[in-house]
Amino acid sequence: KNEVEQSPQNLTAQEGEFITINCSYSVGISALHWLQQHPGGGIVSLFMLSSGKKKHGRLIATINIQEKHSSLHITASHPRDSAVYICAVRDSNYQLIWGAGTKLIIKP
Amino acid sequence: DAGITQSPRHKVTETGTPVTLRCHQTENHRYMYWYRQDPGHGLRLIHYSYGVKDTDKGEVSDGYSVSRSKTEDFLLTLESATSSQTSVYFCATQEGGSSYNEQFFGPGTRLTVL
Repeated sequence: KNEVEQSPQNLTAQEGEFITINCSYSVGISALHWLQQHPGGGIVSLFMLSSGKKKHGRLIATINIQEKHSSLHITASHPRDSAVYICAVRDSNYQLIWGAGTKLIIKP
Repeated sequence: DAGITQSPRHKVTETGTPVTLRCHQTENHRYMYWYRQDPGHGLRLIHYSYGVKDTDKGEVSDGYSVSRSKTEDFLLTLESATSSQTSVYFCATQEGGSSYNEQFFGPGTRLTVL
């Protein structure tokens, strides 16, 4: 069993829909990261969380440390949000453990 | 933008040949990483460096070696490429060792081993 599980693996939605991507992990962590990989391959960091909630534009990330779960939400989704969203956790050895990613497609 | 470049961006080679991928950064970040990305897998760490001449293995290090002779460059070498090493390779940097440091990624190198 992977230490970091993302769901769903694939998600297709219509423009304007509210999107939720989930990340569950089984190890003790000091931080959790959400990243976005564009269709062209580039990877950029979206959020780093150790507790609570963060918001940047239409993106919201939450984390529940007790439940070992994080969610990434996209409000008013747009085709340009189409990408692979990756969750990664920082374990007790300060190494990053990566989820397999969620491929999101937003249709106009 | 952490100013990370990778070269080459694409390479096709034959089984058994040596291959070296280069990662160059302009941000003076202490940590550098090499990952491979394959369909159905998350990013998998090959090797990383925590300073000049200081390197360590990741989870998929077999068949790979690295070198870091100066802060800005981190080289990944496949001594004798195999078809299982066909992948997209990403370099990343991180300023320090804190849990809260984010990683910055290069554009990737697509390697095909025939």
